[in-house]
Amino acid sequence: SQQGEEDPQALSIQEGENATMNCSYKTSINNLQWYRQNSGRGLVHLILIRSNEREKHSGRLRVTLDTSKKSSSLLITASRAADTASYFCATESINDMRFGAGTRLTVKP
Amino acid sequence: EPEVTQTPSHQVTQMGQEVILRCVPISNHLYFYWYRQILGQKVEFLVSFYNNEISEKSEIFDDQFSVERPDGSNFTLKIRSTKLEDSAMYFCASSEAWTDTQYFGPGTRLTVL
Repeated sequence: SQQGEEDPQALSIQEGENATMNCSYKTSINNLQWYRQNSGRGLVHLILIRSNEREKHSGRLRVTLDTSKKSSSLLITASRAADTASYFCATESINDMRFGAGTRLTVKP
Repeated sequence: EPEVTQTPSHQVTQMGQEVILRCVPISNHLYFYWYRQILGQKVEFLVSFYNNEISEKSEIFDDQFSVERPDGSNFTLKIRSTKLEDSAMYFCASSEAWTDTQYFGPGTRLTVL
């Protein structure tokens, strides 16, 4: 089974609203990565956050990591219809990487 | 709950040897994918496969690689004449439709010595 667990499984919002997706995991990690799934071409890397970091930003994306709670969140601000996609977290430990089941985000125009 | 499975979980091979990584996608899924992740780096897309043909492939997916769906259940990635830099985790994924969420397998760790 996959280590990362995203919630919600599906999220539907209006354009302009913020979207927050969460990821929880079970074991110690070196880093956690967020990916967006693009049809056909597969995953696109969004952000990597290391275990000693608490927050990272990239454009409209903000990722937080709480290692004490073994959880991470991805916030997309001012969402656009083009943000509609599935988003995955992937946790990397010393010799392993695991994907979550993904959150399906729908942004309505 | 149905899941994607991959075998073996760990494969060790000598440089120059051929390896075949196996995946069993979810049974009603029609689209299949291979990714690789070199330790400490991001996951990289290799190839997508539909209707017994490659749909998309990345620059990484050169003549050294091939994919096949030899029967109704397995989806394989063959790496010919492995190199040290092929050492990585290889993930298989499948989806029901082109735009549907992909389901990932647990990965195969390939170590080339």
